[in-house]
Amino acid sequence: EVQLVQSGAEVKKPGESLKISCKGSGYSFTSYWIGWVRQMPGKGLEWMGIIYPGDSDTRYSPSFQGQVTISADKSISTAYLQWSSLKASDTAMYYCARNKVGATTFDYWGQGTLVTVSS
Amino acid sequence: DIQMTQSPSSLSASVGDRVTITCQASQDISNYLNWYQQKPGKAPKLLIYDASNLETGVPSRFSGSGSGTDFTFTISSLQPEDIATYYCQQYDNLPYMYTFGQGTKLEIK
Repeated sequence: EVQLVQSGAEVKKPGESLKISCKGSGYSFTSYWIGWVRQMPGKGLEWMGIIYPGDSDTRYSPSFQGQVTISADKSISTAYLQWSSLKASDTAMYYCARNKVGATTFDYWGQGTLVTVSS
Repeated sequence: DIQMTQSPSSLSASVGDRVTITCQASQDISNYLNWYQQKPGKAPKLLIYDASNLETGVPSRFSGSGSGTDFTFTISSLQPEDIATYYCQQYDNLPYMYTFGQGTKLEIK
């Protein structure tokens, strides 16, 4: 069974750093892209970026380029999304999702990680 | 960049009704258009891929059509469990980009 399991909810202060994770299982982790999607409270879905764990090829949405870093450790089938200095506006639910090579869809999703940034 | 316009933003319908949501792209995206369902407090779920293909396990009352710039998502007979927000999503490779529509919140009348 394909599963993407994300790390738990986080409460942080502005200016702090954070790294959240997404662990894949039940499939070949290095053969699929992993994308990250933001959903701010009461709002829609925004694509942030995507990584191919096989060779760490990474692409970012222009809206998020320079604001976050996406990485992966294929040895433990885990992708990461990190911030060096959080802002209150980073408060949101963050989802990871699997993307098949050559396809345009996100076919499996993690359960989401809620990040709250507040002083 | 390609812009996606999804309508309506909200919709109220009765059980058994036929429901239609549209998504329009600012330029030709061939059939690179997918539809997702998001129930409250849950992750999105893929329903339709490449404009008209039903994802495995998705009920046949859901369907999609269209190509180029204009796409339609239909629920043939609305069920209570279909209450959710629905999103279209497109892919573009120049620049490499995935874009979601604004979403349609579907409620039972």
